[in-house]
Amino acid sequence: GAVVSQHPSRVICKSGTSVKIECRSLDFQATTMFWYRQFPKQSLMLMATSNEGSKATYEQGVEKDKFLINHASLTLSTLTVTSAHPEDSSFYICSARDPGWGNIQYFGAGTRLSVL
Amino acid sequence: GQNIDQPTEMTATEGAIVQINCTYQTSGFNGLFWYQQHAGEAPTFLSYNVLDGLEEKGRFSSFLSRSKGYSYLLLKELQMKDSASYLCAATDSNYQLIWGAGTKLIIKP
Repeated sequence: GAVVSQHPSRVICKSGTSVKIECRSLDFQATTMFWYRQFPKQSLMLMATSNEGSKATYEQGVEKDKFLINHASLTLSTLTVTSAHPEDSSFYICSARDPGWGNIQYFGAGTRLSVL
Repeated sequence: GQNIDQPTEMTATEGAIVQINCTYQTSGFNGLFWYQQHAGEAPTFLSYNVLDGLEEKGRFSSFLSRSKGYSYLLLKELQMKDSASYLCAATDSNYQLIWGAGTKLIIKP
């Protein structure tokens, strides 16, 4: 399957700082990428859809000013958690949609964010 | 509305066979996906079905019936490493993925 790289894998930061997470599709061009959040023992929750060259589409209840998404190229999307607080601690996972057969979403390995 | 239903949890024995069912209701349909997610890790892609029938891939097979809005994932010769959550997802007419809550599969020796 296709490869999606996500960095960093783990972040520990102080409350009030901003954290940037990168998501790259390594062997295909992805016009659409997705950002998910998952709390322990809960389901994946879609936060936003990232479209190359245009503004991201945020799901209801997700603050666009807090979770900044940039999709500047066909292989890179970034999520910045601004002024992080302990309640933002979670597992953040990106996926990239391969435009080939099936429009399959391939996932990055995820970023575990801990805000102290 | 759009909805995916799958059992919350299943238990099976090492070496046995288990079938995880999924029913879906979507606005339009462009395919059914199965993903595996181990605890603390991101999901990994297992299978994609868009036509009726069975797709076999090693120990894992996936079945789709579009008329019934039904799919299943069949796991044979279960191994302890198959203990994970299995996520069913369907794409609607806009290729939006609608996710099920996942089925936690527990394998016992």
